[in-house]
Amino acid sequence: EAGVAQSPRYKIIEKRQSVAFWCNPISGHATLYWYQQILGQGPKLLIQFQNNGVVDDSQLPKDRFSAERLKGVDSTLKIQPAKLEDSAVYLCASSVAGEQYFGPGTRLTVT
Amino acid sequence: GIQVEQSPPDLILQEGANSTLRCNFSDSVNNLQWFHQNPWGQLINLFYIPSGTKQNGRLSATTVATERYSLLYISSSQTTDSGVYFCAVDSGDKLTFGTGTRLAVRP
Repeated sequence: EAGVAQSPRYKIIEKRQSVAFWCNPISGHATLYWYQQILGQGPKLLIQFQNNGVVDDSQLPKDRFSAERLKGVDSTLKIQPAKLEDSAVYLCASSVAGEQYFGPGTRLTVT
Repeated sequence: GIQVEQSPPDLILQEGANSTLRCNFSDSVNNLQWFHQNPWGQLINLFYIPSGTKQNGRLSATTVATERYSLLYISSSQTTDSGVYFCAVDSGDKLTFGTGTRLAVRP
């Protein structure tokens, strides 16, 4: 069974630029999550989708972050404009029966 | 929100040694997962264990939900066990990660 796929794996941008990350969950997983992991900390949930609807986006900085999951499968997370403090690893996960599975992450560096 | 604390924060082992990692949480939970984050950043599922005991090779885990803690046992440690171990709990709204235990296994 293929795991959660993410791209790109690494991205370096300057502050105030925009960036987008892509995630393809495990086939059949209705729930999809985006997390932000800052160096030395555990992952923090940004947004949770159930099919193509948002379940929880309470910790998403909506002035600069946006996410969508069209057709209830793939998802994209966008940051515009990026700030220095957005440097982190962005993890996508999908779940079935409550157990979450994570992709390899995208390491973002904002200079 | 729920608080999740892990101990010890850092651990250095000689290859072949055994260890116990602890996860304490502040409220009742629907489920609990243990993950290993390898040096390349990948989060690998170890156990989905809201209660009881499970074993997988050299690893085993026990969750005592009524006392709000979980333990991860690593036996005969290997250098490939190095990395950060996270427990994460779901109290009904979202998965909350602990502070992590950073493990280094020396050859």
